[in-house]
Amino acid sequence: NAGVTQTPKFRILKIGQSMTLQCTQDMNHNYMYWYRQDPGMGLKLIYYSVGAGITDKGEVPNGYNVSRSTTEDFPLRLELAAPSQTSVYFCASGSQYEQYFGPGTRLTVT
Amino acid sequence: DQQVKQNSPSLSVQEGRISILNCDYTNSMFDYFLWYKKYPAEGPTFLISISSIKDKNEDGRFTVFLNKSAKHLSLHIVPSQPGDSAVYFCAASGTYKYIFGTGTRLKVLA
Repeated sequence: NAGVTQTPKFRILKIGQSMTLQCTQDMNHNYMYWYRQDPGMGLKLIYYSVGAGITDKGEVPNGYNVSRSTTEDFPLRLELAAPSQTSVYFCASGSQYEQYFGPGTRLTVT
Repeated sequence: DQQVKQNSPSLSVQEGRISILNCDYTNSMFDYFLWYKKYPAEGPTFLISISSIKDKNEDGRFTVFLNKSAKHLSLHIVPSQPGDSAVYFCAASGTYKYIFGTGTRLKVLA
């Protein structure tokens, strides 16, 4: 029972580098979400998707891009990484009434 | 502007006693509210939810109360157990998106 999987678990990036955070769910959920959690803060919504081919911005989308070509996958792309993007990133899938979260990716940009 | 607020960053409770975690919101368009529990180095896990058409929802030791006129919800845990020690987030939804509070760290003392 995989649920929501995220890779990698940890990553260190240099300023200006790019990377893609992978997220896959096997529950056939239409809704998928990307959040970031900074120390001592709640989860901030970066992007979300209500189905394959449909994405929309959340509260903090700047510096990120997403795509949703399949129901299962919802990758998050960081272009030109900045120290302000140091955070823990969580992917989630679900419905309007419940979300299932992945274990997170801890990203450090130096 | 913080639309969902958890004003107590931490709470300590004796084992067996009641834990009460509070959450306030500002947007009257929110119609669904959720509580999540988070252990270190893990993703949040869904705990309990409540629709705006109700004022109470129970699930075992967990009860959520909603006071719409005060824009306030609370999570009661009775009796509290050491395994309940975690960070608790409330979240509010009005559409497909969720807005999270900053969390309350609960410590249950044995």
